[in-house]
Amino acid sequence: QSVLTQPPSVSAAPGQKVTISCSGSSSNIGSNYVSWYQQFPGTAPKVLISDNNERPSGIPDRFSVSKTGTSATLGITGLQTGDEADYYCATWDSSLSAWVFGGGTKLTVL
Amino acid sequence: QLQLQESGPGLVKPSETLSLTCTVSGGSISSSSFYWGWIRQPPGKGLEWIGSIYYSGTTYYNPSLKSRVTTSIDTSKNQFSLKLSSVTAADMAVYYCARPHCSSSGCFWNYWGQGTLVTVSS
Repeated sequence: QSVLTQPPSVSAAPGQKVTISCSGSSSNIGSNYVSWYQQFPGTAPKVLISDNNERPSGIPDRFSVSKTGTSATLGITGLQTGDEADYYCATWDSSLSAWVFGGGTKLTVL
Repeated sequence: QLQLQESGPGLVKPSETLSLTCTVSGGSISSSSFYWGWIRQPPGKGLEWIGSIYYSGTTYYNPSLKSRVTTSIDTSKNQFSLKLSSVTAADMAVYYCARPHCSSSGCFWNYWGQGTLVTVSS
């Protein structure tokens, strides 16, 4: 059971928008920086974006984030088949003194 | 460009100790500005943070693994290491070494090794 809760799967059509939620608590999302990762099968995760919409170079602005209280949301617009991957949220948990990850969400672009 | 590479046995027997090393290239491990970490992923499952180590030697471990985890840094080799004792089948996973990028806002895991699969079997 992950400390951060994500839906197991989401799907949408090419060109559409999808959102992936990440729910936590006051000791993690509620008080710390959230980051999001994309992972393709057989490869290491890659950071996509974090709070304040800080993106590493090369990450398109089709990816955005928002945060309200103890929940964070990753938004992806203009969906492409190449966006099909697993997505994870992560943050530091101040009570656990530990990094925590969501269980992951599989995105299917129909 | 910073690069990380995991190495170590791909097969460990139950009850024995898993030992992995992460070799860092393209940058120095001896910086107080950064810390280094281990993250694992069981087959078909999600990511789990194992622990982090600062250059100073300060460590943070996943509470669920803390009793079995040890990490260390070897500055002469620009490497850091992970030891996980008393392994069981539940420890079978792809193990990643990683380093975060940190700013005044917080940190995110920006650099990852390619990962190494460790199988636990007799």
